[in-house]
Amino acid sequence: DAGVIQSPRHEVTEMGQEVTLRCKPISGHNSLFWYRQTMMRGLELLIYFNNNVPIDDSGMPEDRFSAKMPNASFSTLKIQPSEPRDSAVYFCASSPGTNRELFFGEGSRLTVL
Amino acid sequence: RKEVEQDPGPFNVPEGATVAFNCTYSNSASQSFFWYRQDCRKEPKLLMSVYSSGNEDGRFTAQLNRASQYISLLIRDSKLSDSATYLCVVTHSSASKIIFGSGTRLSIRP
Repeated sequence: DAGVIQSPRHEVTEMGQEVTLRCKPISGHNSLFWYRQTMMRGLELLIYFNNNVPIDDSGMPEDRFSAKMPNASFSTLKIQPSEPRDSAVYFCASSPGTNRELFFGEGSRLTVL
Repeated sequence: RKEVEQDPGPFNVPEGATVAFNCTYSNSASQSFFWYRQDCRKEPKLLMSVYSSGNEDGRFTAQLNRASQYISLLIRDSKLSDSATYLCVVTHSSASKIIFGSGTRLSIRP
C-alpha cells in the first residue's frame, strides 16, 4: 500500500521565491498534518486538517505561510516569499482518526539561500 | 515551559544494556500517549502506544504515570539497531492536537 507521498523531496531556492510543497495522504485517512522539523526547534505542528477543513493553524509562523486541502487526497503548503529561516524538513502526516497513529511522508527538505 | 519535555541526550550505552528515558507533559487533560522512533534523516514512525496499565512489546516497555504526568520507555538488551531518536507524543482530544517532544537521542555502541 502506498504511504503518505510528499513532493518534492528536496528543494533549493533563493530568498524571495515561492515554494509549494505537496502531499497525498493515505487513502481513507481523514486527518492531515503539516509539521516542520529543525535541529533547534524539533518537530513543530504547523496546521492540521480534519475532513479537508483546517482545524488549527495556530502553528503557522506568519502570513507568508498558507496551506490548502482542496480534496481528501491532496494538500499543499505554500511559502511566499521564502526566507532563509524557513530552511527545514517539512513533513506531512495523515491519520485515520483522532488520537490514532500518525503516518508520515518522507519529508520535503527545503533550503532557502 | 514546553508542553512536552524530554531529555535530549545523547544516551550512549553499550550493546546489551538496559536504558530508560522519561517524558513529562504539562496538560493534565492529555488523553493519548505514544513513543515514535526517528532514524537519522528519516521520518518518524510509531514505536508503540502507551496505555494506562503499561504495556510491553518485546524488549520495549512503556509506562504512563498520570499523577506525575510522565511517560517512560524502557529498552532491554539494547541492539545496535536501536540507535535512533525517540520522540514522545501527547494528544489532547479536546483540541485534537498532537504534540511531539523534541526527542531523546540514543546511541548504542558495540
